[in-house]
Amino acid sequence: KAGVTQTPRYLIKTRGQQVTLSCSPISGHRSVSWYQQTPGQGLQFLFEYFSETQRNKGNFPGRFSGRQFSNSRSEMNVSTLELGDSALYLCASSLLADGETQYFGPGTRLLVL
Amino acid sequence: GDSVTQMEGPVTLSEEAFLTINCTYTATGYPSLFWYVQYPGEGLQLLLKATKADDKGSNKGFEATYRKETTSFHLEKGSVQVSDSAVYFCALRSGNQFYFGTGTSLTVIP
Repeated sequence: KAGVTQTPRYLIKTRGQQVTLSCSPISGHRSVSWYQQTPGQGLQFLFEYFSETQRNKGNFPGRFSGRQFSNSRSEMNVSTLELGDSALYLCASSLLADGETQYFGPGTRLLVL
Repeated sequence: GDSVTQMEGPVTLSEEAFLTINCTYTATGYPSLFWYVQYPGEGLQLLLKATKADDKGSNKGFEATYRKETTSFHLEKGSVQVSDSAVYFCALRSGNQFYFGTGTSLTVIP
């Protein structure tokens, strides 16, 4: 079974631009979570979607948004990029509604110049 | 709120040395506990988990026991290998949300 895939793997943007990242969960998984990973802050939870509904949201500004499609694929969008948004963005999927075990993708590394 | 605290790194060990990475947690209720590992350039992989007190998770020679009385989930391995060099994350699941520690970098030298 294919793992979690994320596209693109690397991205360079400039301040003020917006970006959309994509995540395809493991087949059959309905829960998708997003995390931001930075050297200083570690993994920080962004949001979680289950069956196209956002169930949980972390403490990030409204510039960060996401959605999930009927096939469970998910996208996250960051508008008006700031230098501090440079990070590795990780997507994780899980089978059960309660997200018992999460399986992570390789991440999208975003650099904001 | 819920949180995880793990020992700061980096940790450097010689091959075949004993490894302990400490992890303590704060949570209401009865969380599930996890250790994830991240190899260079990759995402996180589940290493082991425990879902209730006194459970022991184990995988690839690594072990961790869910200790409710000390709110701990320390990771141990009796004899590390160079291939174990990675960053290790302790995590808990409380309700529908995961909380991760800041990660501990391990380097094993031959």
